[in-house]
Amino acid sequence: GAVVSQHPSRVICKSGTSVKIECRSLDFQATTMFWYRQFPKQSLMLMATSNEGSKATYEQGVEKDKFLINHASLTLSTLTVTSAHPEDSSFYICSASGKNTEAFFGQGTRLTVV
Amino acid sequence: AQSVAQPEDQVKVAEGNPLTVKCTYSVSGNPYLFWYVQYPNRGLQFLLKYITGDNLVKGSYGFEAEFNKSQTSFHLKKPSALVSDSALYFCAVRDADSSYKLIFGSGTRLLVRP
Repeated sequence: GAVVSQHPSRVICKSGTSVKIECRSLDFQATTMFWYRQFPKQSLMLMATSNEGSKATYEQGVEKDKFLINHASLTLSTLTVTSAHPEDSSFYICSASGKNTEAFFGQGTRLTVV
Repeated sequence: AQSVAQPEDQVKVAEGNPLTVKCTYSVSGNPYLFWYVQYPNRGLQFLLKYITGDNLVKGSYGFEAEFNKSQTSFHLKKPSALVSDSALYFCAVRDADSSYKLIFGSGTRLLVRP
C-alpha cells in the first residue's frame, strides 16, 4: 500500500510553546489529508479535513486557531498545536488519500505537554 | 448519518482458535466499510475493505470479513488466531458526504492467549 510518513513520532514540549507535526505522502499525491486525535483507549476523533491549496475544514468543537493546519502541497500537510497545554497531550494521527484512493495512515505522533 | 458500532470492548481467544470481532453499520446508500488494526503507539494499518462485489472479503495477515446486508454487519474473522494478532481493531465506514472521510467505531481490543 501507499506510504504516509508522520514526523515526529514523539515530542515533549513545554506548556505555552507551539509544536508542528508533519504528514507526508511518499509515493502518491495526497489531494486530501485528515487529522485525527486519539485519547487513551479511545477511538479516533476527526479534527479536520484539508484539501491541497484550500483552507482546512474543522469538525465541530475543534478550535481552528489552536490547531493550525496547512496543506500547501500535494505531499505535505502540517498540524501546528499553538500555545500547547497539558490537556493537548494526546496521540495525533494523520491520513492521506489521493484521487480515487482510500486513506492511508501515518504512524502517529505522541505529544506530551509538560 | 453514517455510523459503525463495535459492541465488544475486548475479545479474548486462545491461539489457534478462530476469532471474530464484531461490527454493525448504519448507512444511507451503499456502504463502504473498512477494517484497520492498531498496534501500541502506532498509526492504523489497513486490513481490508468492502465496496461492492463478493460478501466475503479477504484481507491482510489472513483476516477476512463478511458483509451481511440483512444483518447490517461486517464482522472481522480469522480461522486461526496468533498471539501477534493481539492489537486494537477498528471498523470504519466512509462518510457519504465526503468520499474519503472515515467514521470509526469505538475499537475492540483483541487478546490472543498463548
